[in-house]
Amino acid sequence: IAGITQAPTSQILAAGRRMTLRCTQDMRHNAMYWYRQDLGLGLRLIHYSNTAGTTGKGEVPDGYSVSRANTDDFPLTLASAVPSQTSVYFCASSGTVSLSGANVLTFGAGSRLTVL
Amino acid sequence: GNSVTQMEGPVTLSEEAFLTINCTYTATGYPSLFWYVQYPGEGLQLLLKATKADDKGSNKGFEATYRKETTSFHLEKGSVQVSDSAVYFCALPWGYSSASKIIFGSGTRLSIRP
Repeated sequence: IAGITQAPTSQILAAGRRMTLRCTQDMRHNAMYWYRQDLGLGLRLIHYSNTAGTTGKGEVPDGYSVSRANTDDFPLTLASAVPSQTSVYFCASSGTVSLSGANVLTFGAGSRLTVL
Repeated sequence: GNSVTQMEGPVTLSEEAFLTINCTYTATGYPSLFWYVQYPGEGLQLLLKATKADDKGSNKGFEATYRKETTSFHLEKGSVQVSDSAVYFCALPWGYSSASKIIFGSGTRLSIRP
């Protein structure tokens, strides 16, 4: 089934450790995104990539980095995890990037990260 | 940039009740507007969208009309079911020059009692 695969599903991590959340899509979508979901705050955009080889900062980029070496993969790295990064992380993709903003996002099932 | 505000929850209704979840936005121009739904344990999925003013998006019995006069995109359903229990998010592009980035409201949790 075409879609987005995220890994791990869940992870408990000690503060200060490095962590990479993986995201792979098989829809050949150009654009990919990372969001975090926190209770009462909805989804906030961390980083995005409009096409392979390019990335950009979202609303809450501090403490996170991304890379987009190819179309399918968009890993999110926490270089030194802190408790405030405890959240559910969603990867998403979009097949179109248009000025009209009519592009639709496809989401992965999420990765629950707990930083102690 | 653009912004969106939606009704806080949680909202609890009985089955077959009428549902309204309010969403208002601030935007430059007339961007597309979206409602996404998140069922328990899953990622978000598109529920409906409207791409221009006065458009009505509809899906699974839900409707929302793009009203530029009131800058609103309220979600409605005439008769809710237990299976509609989920979290609903209003969304729009961050800005005209950054149309690929979608921003979301804080979400409204809906619970339907049998």
